Amino acid sequence: DTGVSQDPRHKITKRGQNVTFRCDPISEHNRLYWYRQTLGQGPEFLTYFQNEAQLEKSRLLSDRFSAERPKGSFSTLEIQRTEQGDSAMYLCASSPSSTGANVLTFGAGSRLTVL
Amino acid sequence: KQEVTQIPAALSVPEGENLVLNCSFTDSAIYNLQWFRQDPGKGLTSLLLIQSSQREQTSGRLNASLDKSSGRSTLYIAASQPGDSATYLCAVYNQGGKLIFGQGTELSVKP
Repeated sequence: DTGVSQDPRHKITKRGQNVTFRCDPISEHNRLYWYRQTLGQGPEFLTYFQNEAQLEKSRLLSDRFSAERPKGSFSTLEIQRTEQGDSAMYLCASSPSSTGANVLTFGAGSRLTVL
Repeated sequence: KQEVTQIPAALSVPEGENLVLNCSFTDSAIYNLQWFRQDPGKGLTSLLLIQSSQREQTSGRLNASLDKSSGRSTLYIAASQPGDSATYLCAVYNQGGKLIFGQGTELSVKP
């Protein structure tokens, strides 16, 4: 068990380009979460999966954002036509159960800089 | 809608001081509460998890308390050190298992 892995750790892109982040959760964790954190703020919930099903999406997740978790393993978060306001740290977390006792384990994050 | 507030937003103390960070939440129907540490540009490191049936947790120089009825938690740091300088985040688990974060307290411990 190597923890939650995120790739890439840092991405610099030009406005209008598409970017994709990958998250590998702790093995056998059935819940996977994406959060976004802008400078000076706490992380904000974006979306989460129970196995391969995307159960909730925040209103923060505009049409340019899409997340997938094929086969209930790793997940990808794609941002299309990036804007400068998308610059943030994107955090992934996983948890082992859906009960009230689940505890999230976070990855190191993927930092996006949009020029 | 659950809201989590942390006070103060920033704190600067001399080395050796004991300090308290405050966290409040609007909906007392939470499961667990968790305190995290975040160094600049880095991810989140879990410090303490308080389950809903517990009132406090301790780890080394850290002690966290939880009062669900009043919607408050405190993180107590004893004998602060420059290495404690970081942002401290409080987060509550709602009934759906989702974590809701406060904005954090940025702590600076001066040598």
